[in-house]
Parts: sequence; structure tokens; C-alpha cells
Amino acid sequence: DGGITQSPKYLFRKEGQNVTLSCEQNLNHDAMYWYRQDPGQGLRLIYYSQIVNDFQKGDIAEGYSVSREKKESFPLTVTSAQKNPTAFYLCASSTWTGVYSPLHFGNGTRLTVT
Amino acid sequence: QQPVQSPQAVILREGEDAVINCSSSKALYSVHWYRQKHGEAPVFLMILLKGGEQKGHDKISASFNEKKQQSSLYLTASQLSYSGTYFCGTEISNSGYALNFGKGTSLLVTP
Repeated sequence: DGGITQSPKYLFRKEGQNVTLSCEQNLNHDAMYWYRQDPGQGLRLIYYSQIVNDFQKGDIAEGYSVSREKKESFPLTVTSAQKNPTAFYLCASSTWTGVYSPLHFGNGTRLTVT
Repeated sequence: QQPVQSPQAVILREGEDAVINCSSSKALYSVHWYRQKHGEAPVFLMILLKGGEQKGHDKISASFNEKKQQSSLYLTASQLSYSGTYFCGTEISNSGYALNFGKGTSLLVTP
């Protein structure tokens, strides 16, 4: 079955360490996205990519970095510069046909930094 | 710009109706609606496009008022399975920019 896989489900890190969250999709979708979810804040866009080797900053990109070397993969690195990294991170993908198609979300990674 | 959702939370008895609203300060090209159950990924419900085209989902319907830049989600004869947090995602132009989501509306349906 096609879908989006995020790993790991839970991640714990010490302050000052960089950490990379994995996101893989086998839906053959062109576009991929990273959202951050905090209680009561909805989903806030971190980065998105519409094609391989290209990506754009979202509303809260500071302290994060991404790469899109393959269509299937869009890893997110939370750097030590991110001041409040503890959150639930959601990866999503969609096709682009001139009219936005639904976003397909992964099950998320809950990151805790202490 | 994050769209504004209202109400923030609602509690219903099974069989009652509910309306969730989503407003934007920018002209909208499309509005998406998603439902998220606790600890799970958001799931797509429907898209409403500028010009009135609507793609629905079961017994849940929605409207899109282009003049007011508002969308409303209608849940009729609510079921226990409707419980969750509902998010609207807005697209301000057909330019390929990603969706901006509201803060969500928590819906609890009780027996």
C-alpha cells in the first residue's frame, strides 16, 4: 500500500544536538511538506518542496534545514539553533495538477529535547 | 497568514448538528478541511475551490463564500466517529504555495 512513513515515532535528544527526522513516500507525489504542531497552534509550515533539488521556506523555517535529493524522501534536520524544538512534526505530500490535491500525512514524529 | 477558525471547541450529543467556520484576511483560491483524531495524522475531508466547485465527503458538507473569504463545514446528524480536531487549510493563490492551517476546532460527540 502506498503511503508516507515517518520515523522514528518518538525521538529524544539533548539540547545542543542536531537531529534528523525521516520522511519517505511511495505515492509518487511531487510535493512534500513539513509541518510543526504544538498544542492549540494548529499546523505551521516549516519547509516545502515541489520538485527534487528545490525547496522553499515556510513560516517558521528558522532553526531547521531540509534536503530533497530524491522524489521519495524529504528529511528534516532540527538544528541546535531552533530555540524551542520540542513538538510534534508532521510530514505530508501531494500531487500538483494545477489544482491542489489533498495532503497525505504521515503519522508524525514527536521530538522531545531536554 | 493563518486563517481563523471558530468556535475553538464544541461538544455535541450524537445526532446533533454543528458548524465550523474558517475565515481569512486574504483572498482565497481554495479551502481544504481535515480531521485529526488524537495521536493520529490529519485526514482529508474535502476541498472547496474558488468558483464553487466542491468535492465532498460522506455526510459532511461545506460552503465557500468568496466575497467574505470564509468557509463553513457542516456536520449533520453527528456520529461518535466525528469526534476530533478539525482544521481548515487555505490557499491564497494557485501558485503552488503550501497550505496555511488554522488553529483547529475541537469537536466532541457524546452518546
